[in-house]
Amino acid sequence: NAGVTQTPKFRILKIGQSMTLQCTQDMNHNYMYWYRQDPGMGLKLIYYSVGAGITDKGEVPNGYNVSRSTTEDFPLRLELAAPSQTSVYFCAARVNTEAFFGQGTRLTVV
Amino acid sequence: AQKITQTQPGMFVQEKEAVTLDCTYDTSDPSYGLFWYKQPSSGEMIFLIYQGSYDQQNATEGRYSLNFQKARKSANLVISASQLGDSAMYFCAMREGPNFNKFYFGSGTKLNVKP
Repeated sequence: NAGVTQTPKFRILKIGQSMTLQCTQDMNHNYMYWYRQDPGMGLKLIYYSVGAGITDKGEVPNGYNVSRSTTEDFPLRLELAAPSQTSVYFCAARVNTEAFFGQGTRLTVV
Repeated sequence: AQKITQTQPGMFVQEKEAVTLDCTYDTSDPSYGLFWYKQPSSGEMIFLIYQGSYDQQNATEGRYSLNFQKARKSANLVISASQLGDSAMYFCAMREGPNFNKFYFGSGTKLNVKP
C-alpha cells in the first residue's frame, strides 16, 4: 500500500513549456486534491475532484488543468509554464477525517 | 476572506513545555471539520488531529489536543511536553462544502523547540 505517489519529485521547466504532474493513489479514495505551496506559505488549493469524471476549481486554478478518468489517477497539467508557477506541488487523497499527501513535486520555471 | 487564519508565523518553546498554536476559521456551513498537520523540514505532510464541528468533546491524540471553541471559530492546537522532534511547520486546515469536498489550509506556524 503505497498511499499517494507523485512524480516527478523535481523538475525544471523553461517558460512556455508544458508538463504533467502525475498523482496516483492506491487507497480507493474518492476525494483528491492538488495544492501549491510557495516558499514560507501555506497550501493553496488549485483543483479538486470528488470522484472519477468530476473535477472543480479551487482557490488558484488559473494556468492549470486537471482530469480524473479513474479513481486512482489525478494528473495536473501546466500548459504554458510561467515563473509564477515555481512552487512545490502536493497531491492529496482524502476519505472522511483523514487526508494522505504525496511527497511533493518541486517545480522551477526559468 | 481567509478561510483559515494562523496569526503566528513563528514560535519558540522550551523543550518539555506546552505550546499552543492558534487557528481561526471562517465558514457559514453548519457542518465542517478541522485538522492539524505537521510538515517537517523533509517536506511531507503528517496528519496530527481532527475535530468535527458537531463533536462535543475536544479531540486528543497523544500529546496533541485541539482546543475547539465553536462560538469563537477557533481550533487551537496544544502540544504538551514539547520535544525537539516537534520542530516543524504546523498547518491548520478545514474541510467544508457539500460532501466536505473543499479542503483549505492556513499559512502555517513555524515551531522551534529549544533544548
